[in-house]
Amino acid sequence: AQRVTQPEKLLSVFKGAPVELKCNYSYSGSPELFWYVQYSRQRLQLLLRHISRESIKGFTADLNKGETSFHLKKPFAQEEDSAMYYCASRWNNDMRFGAGTRLTVKP
Amino acid sequence: DAGVTQSPTHLIKTRGQQVTLRCSPKSGHDTVSWYQQALGQGPQFIFQYYEEEERQRGNFPDRFSGHQFPNYSSELNVNALLLGDSALYLCASSLPSIYGYTFGSGTRLTVV
Repeated sequence: AQRVTQPEKLLSVFKGAPVELKCNYSYSGSPELFWYVQYSRQRLQLLLRHISRESIKGFTADLNKGETSFHLKKPFAQEEDSAMYYCASRWNNDMRFGAGTRLTVKP
Repeated sequence: DAGVTQSPTHLIKTRGQQVTLRCSPKSGHDTVSWYQQALGQGPQFIFQYYEEEERQRGNFPDRFSGHQFPNYSSELNVNALLLGDSALYLCASSLPSIYGYTFGSGTRLTVV
Protein backbone atom coordinates (compact mmCIF):
# COMPACT_ATOMS: atom_id res chain seq x y z
CA ALA A 1 0.00 0.00 0.00
CA GLN A 2 1.17 3.50 -0.67
CA ARG A 3 2.40 5.51 2.28
CA VAL A 4 3.41 9.15 2.70
CA THR A 5 5.79 10.20 5.44
CA GLN A 6 6.42 13.71 6.68
CA PRO A 7 9.12 13.31 9.30
CA GLU A 8 8.73 16.75 10.91
CA LYS A 9 5.52 17.60 12.76
CA LEU A 10 6.78 21.10 13.51
CA LEU A 11 9.15 23.39 11.65
CA SER A 12 10.06 26.91 12.68
CA VAL A 13 12.14 29.37 10.67
CA PHE A 14 12.74 33.12 10.67
CA LYS A 15 11.35 35.39 8.00
CA GLY A 16 13.65 35.51 5.00
CA ALA A 17 15.27 32.16 5.77
CA PRO A 18 15.05 29.20 3.39
CA VAL A 19 12.57 26.51 4.24
CA GLU A 20 12.31 22.86 3.24
CA LEU A 21 9.44 20.59 4.23
CA LYS A 22 10.30 16.96 3.76
CA CYS A 23 8.09 14.30 2.21
CA ASN A 24 8.87 10.70 1.36
CA TYR A 25 6.55 8.28 -0.33
CA SER A 26 6.63 4.54 -0.60
CA TYR A 27 5.18 3.00 -3.67
CA SER A 28 6.81 0.96 -6.38
CA GLY A 29 4.87 2.62 -9.17
CA SER A 30 4.77 6.25 -10.25
CA PRO A 31 2.17 8.02 -8.15
CA GLU A 32 1.07 11.57 -8.68
CA LEU A 33 2.37 13.79 -5.90
CA PHE A 34 0.85 16.91 -4.39
CA TRP A 35 1.35 19.46 -1.66
CA TYR A 36 -1.69 20.80 0.11
CA VAL A 37 -1.77 23.72 2.54
CA GLN A 38 -4.18 24.70 5.27
CA TYR A 39 -3.98 28.26 6.58
CA SER A 40 -5.50 29.13 9.93
CA ARG A 41 -9.29 28.80 9.86
CA GLN A 42 -9.33 27.95 6.16
CA ARG A 43 -10.01 24.74 4.30
CA LEU A 44 -7.39 22.44 2.92
CA GLN A 45 -6.32 23.61 -0.53
CA LEU A 46 -4.03 22.43 -3.27
CA LEU A 47 -0.67 24.21 -3.33
CA LEU A 48 1.08 22.44 -6.16
CA ARG A 49 1.40 19.15 -8.01
CA HIS A 50 4.52 17.54 -9.33
CA ILE A 51 3.25 16.93 -12.83
CA SER A 52 2.89 20.63 -13.58
CA ARG A 53 6.39 21.58 -12.36
CA GLU A 54 5.03 24.91 -11.22
CA SER A 55 6.04 27.45 -8.61
CA ILE A 56 3.20 28.68 -6.42
CA LYS A 57 3.70 31.48 -3.89
CA GLY A 58 7.44 30.99 -4.32
CA PHE A 59 7.26 27.29 -3.40
CA THR A 60 8.65 24.54 -5.58
CA ALA A 61 8.82 20.79 -5.12
CA ASP A 62 11.10 18.41 -6.94
CA LEU A 63 10.30 14.76 -7.39
CA ASN A 64 13.30 12.56 -6.71
CA LYS A 65 12.35 9.05 -7.78
CA GLY A 66 15.63 7.59 -6.59
CA GLU A 67 15.07 8.81 -3.06
CA THR A 68 11.25 8.60 -3.37
CA SER A 69 11.03 12.13 -2.05
CA PHE A 70 9.00 15.21 -2.91
CA HIS A 71 10.33 17.92 -0.65
CA LEU A 72 8.74 21.39 -0.67
CA LYS A 73 11.11 24.34 -0.77
CA LYS A 74 11.04 28.11 -0.65
CA PRO A 75 14.19 30.24 -0.69
CA PHE A 76 12.84 33.09 1.45
CA ALA A 77 10.04 32.30 3.91
CA GLN A 78 7.37 34.90 4.65
CA GLU A 79 5.20 35.19 7.77
CA GLU A 80 2.10 34.48 5.68
CA ASP A 81 3.55 31.06 4.85
CA SER A 82 2.78 29.90 8.38
CA ALA A 83 0.33 27.03 7.97
CA MET A 84 -0.10 23.26 8.00
CA TYR A 85 1.40 21.57 4.98
CA TYR A 86 0.38 18.09 3.81
CA CYS A 87 2.12 15.99 1.24
CA ALA A 88 -0.09 13.57 -0.68
CA SER A 89 0.30 10.85 -3.25
CA ARG A 90 -2.34 9.49 -5.59
CA TRP A 91 -2.28 6.11 -7.23
CA ASN A 92 -5.24 4.60 -9.02
CA ASN A 93 -7.78 7.09 -7.68
CA ASP A 94 -6.54 6.65 -4.11
CA MET A 95 -5.15 9.88 -2.60
CA ARG A 96 -3.19 9.38 0.63
CA PHE A 97 -1.92 12.12 2.90
CA GLY A 98 0.99 12.46 5.26
CA ALA A 99 0.49 13.53 8.87
CA GLY A 100 1.42 17.11 8.04
CA THR A 101 4.06 19.62 9.06
CA ARG A 102 3.17 22.80 10.89
CA LEU A 103 5.36 25.59 9.56
CA THR A 104 5.82 28.69 11.68
CA VAL A 105 7.64 31.65 10.20
CA LYS A 106 8.82 34.01 12.90
CA PRO A 107 9.28 37.74 12.30
CA ASP B 1 -19.12 28.89 -7.44
CA ALA B 2 -19.49 27.84 -3.80
CA GLY B 3 -16.94 25.09 -4.18
CA VAL B 4 -17.49 22.00 -2.06
CA THR B 5 -20.18 22.39 0.59
CA GLN B 6 -20.65 20.08 3.54
CA SER B 7 -23.44 19.85 6.08
CA PRO B 8 -23.81 20.04 8.94
CA THR B 9 -20.72 21.89 10.14
CA HIS B 10 -20.90 20.44 13.64
CA LEU B 11 -22.66 17.44 15.09
CA ILE B 12 -22.83 15.77 18.47
CA LYS B 13 -24.00 12.17 18.68
CA THR B 14 -24.22 9.52 21.35
CA ARG B 15 -22.26 6.29 21.19
CA GLY B 16 -24.20 3.63 19.29
CA GLN B 17 -26.18 6.10 17.21
CA GLN B 18 -26.03 6.52 13.46
CA VAL B 19 -25.04 9.65 11.55
CA THR B 20 -25.33 10.92 7.98
CA LEU B 21 -23.03 13.60 6.60
CA ARG B 22 -23.66 15.35 3.30
CA CYS B 23 -21.49 16.79 0.58
CA SER B 24 -22.16 18.78 -2.59
CA PRO B 25 -19.21 18.74 -4.97
CA LYS B 26 -17.77 21.68 -6.82
CA SER B 27 -19.65 22.47 -10.01
CA GLY B 28 -18.37 20.27 -12.83
CA HIS B 29 -16.78 17.68 -10.55
CA ASP B 30 -18.13 14.15 -10.69
CA THR B 31 -15.95 12.33 -8.17
CA VAL B 32 -16.33 12.57 -4.40
CA SER B 33 -13.87 11.31 -1.81
CA TRP B 34 -14.35 11.20 1.94
CA TYR B 35 -11.66 11.55 4.56
CA GLN B 36 -11.51 11.31 8.33
CA GLN B 37 -9.12 13.67 10.07
CA ALA B 38 -8.45 13.06 13.74
CA LEU B 39 -6.87 15.80 15.81
CA GLY B 40 -3.21 16.24 14.93
CA GLN B 41 -3.35 13.74 12.08
CA GLY B 42 -3.48 13.96 8.33
CA PRO B 43 -6.67 13.10 6.46
CA GLN B 44 -7.29 9.34 6.28
CA PHE B 45 -8.97 8.04 3.15
CA ILE B 46 -12.38 6.44 3.73
CA PHE B 47 -13.72 5.88 0.21
CA GLN B 48 -14.34 7.45 -3.18
CA TYR B 49 -17.49 7.56 -5.27
CA TYR B 50 -17.73 7.90 -9.02
CA GLU B 51 -20.75 7.27 -11.23
CA GLU B 52 -22.78 6.46 -8.12
CA GLU B 53 -20.51 3.57 -7.19
CA GLU B 54 -17.82 3.11 -4.58
CA ARG B 55 -14.63 3.00 -6.61
CA GLN B 56 -11.95 2.79 -3.94
CA ARG B 57 -12.01 2.15 -0.21
CA GLY B 58 -9.52 2.77 2.54
CA ASN B 59 -9.03 0.76 5.69
CA PHE B 60 -12.34 1.54 7.38
CA PRO B 61 -14.91 -0.94 8.74
CA ASP B 62 -18.25 -1.63 7.10
CA ARG B 63 -19.89 0.68 9.64
CA PHE B 64 -18.78 3.40 7.23
CA SER B 65 -20.88 3.44 4.09
CA GLY B 66 -21.74 5.97 1.48
CA HIS B 67 -23.82 6.91 -1.45
CA GLN B 68 -23.56 9.13 -4.49
CA PHE B 69 -26.60 10.60 -6.17
CA PRO B 70 -27.16 11.33 -9.88
CA ASN B 71 -26.34 15.01 -9.27
CA TYR B 72 -22.93 13.85 -7.91
CA SER B 73 -23.68 14.86 -4.33
CA SER B 74 -22.75 12.31 -1.72
CA GLU B 75 -23.53 11.07 1.77
CA LEU B 76 -21.36 9.39 4.34
CA ASN B 77 -23.14 7.17 6.84
CA VAL B 78 -21.60 5.84 10.01
CA ASN B 79 -23.47 3.24 12.06
CA ALA B 80 -22.96 2.16 15.67
CA LEU B 81 -20.87 5.20 16.49
CA LEU B 82 -17.83 4.76 18.70
CA LEU B 83 -16.04 7.42 20.72
CA GLY B 84 -13.09 6.96 18.36
CA ASP B 85 -15.20 8.12 15.43
CA SER B 86 -14.96 11.66 16.77
CA ALA B 87 -13.10 13.59 14.08
CA LEU B 88 -13.36 16.10 11.29
CA TYR B 89 -14.88 14.50 8.20
CA LEU B 90 -13.75 16.03 4.96
CA CYS B 91 -15.31 15.72 1.56
CA ALA B 92 -13.25 16.38 -1.55
CA SER B 93 -14.42 16.56 -5.14
CA SER B 94 -12.46 16.18 -8.32
CA LEU B 95 -12.44 15.13 -11.92
CA PRO B 96 -10.89 11.76 -12.75
CA SER B 97 -7.74 13.38 -14.06
CA ILE B 98 -4.35 14.53 -12.93
CA TYR B 99 -5.75 17.52 -11.06
CA GLY B 100 -5.89 17.71 -7.30
CA TYR B 101 -8.89 17.70 -5.05
CA THR B 102 -11.09 20.57 -3.88
CA PHE B 103 -11.96 20.20 -0.23
CA GLY B 104 -14.94 21.26 1.81
CA SER B 105 -14.64 22.82 5.25
CA GLY B 106 -15.60 19.57 6.90
CA THR B 107 -18.10 18.32 9.44
CA ARG B 108 -16.87 18.13 13.02
CA LEU B 109 -18.40 15.02 14.58
CA THR B 110 -18.24 14.53 18.33
CA VAL B 111 -19.36 11.23 19.80
CA VAL B 112 -20.14 11.28 23.51
